[in-house]
Amino acid sequence: DTEVTQTPKHLVMGMTNKKSLKCEQHMGHRAMYWYKQKAKKPPELMFVYSYEKLSINESVPSRFSPECPNSSLLNLHLHALQPEDSALYLCASSQFRVTEAFFGQGTRLTVV
Amino acid sequence: DQQVKQNSPSLSVQEGRISILNCDYTNSMFDYFLWYKKYPAEGPTFLISISSIKDKNEDGRFTVFLNKSAKHLSLHIVPSQPGDSAVYFCAAKYSGNTGKLIFGQGTTLQVKP
Repeated sequence: DTEVTQTPKHLVMGMTNKKSLKCEQHMGHRAMYWYKQKAKKPPELMFVYSYEKLSINESVPSRFSPECPNSSLLNLHLHALQPEDSALYLCASSQFRVTEAFFGQGTRLTVV
Repeated sequence: DQQVKQNSPSLSVQEGRISILNCDYTNSMFDYFLWYKKYPAEGPTFLISISSIKDKNEDGRFTVFLNKSAKHLSLHIVPSQPGDSAVYFCAAKYSGNTGKLIFGQGTTLQVKP
């Protein structure tokens, strides 16, 4: 099973809403990531969790709040987003110390 | 400051021929390189990777070549198939174990039947 599952696939939210993106993997990977991809741009790293601890925050605004409840789950809590935050949000996982990251299908987020 | 560059936004090849996708990088601290394939509205799919200590890695129809002195890598797809039509991203990892990947801008490959 080399699958990373993200829910929901699509999300439309208002600027005052609170929502969460979810990501799950059962490959035993101990590193999990959130990436953001804008149209016609490459994915850009937001956060890295290693062994359920936040190891990298790429200066992401606090309206994005990651959470790793256990080694299989990764959440991204969203609050007071701006329209420019509309993008494809990708979750990925990898074996710690091995570099091939496996990506989920992404959540297409639209902020209105 | 783009550390990983894919200078060709698009490439069109005939089915059965070779597709060559190129990638250049600027940071000597990269120690691992990967190629991903991406269809619209889907996440990137890992294709093939290469360590900086090697110059070639092959997996079926896909071969990646690394020229460290030129800071250049390429992905060869032989033979190309219509199903290979997608956006291809080159990615690089810093030495160390952060797992952080830096992606190039992507090249859209179209394989014509």
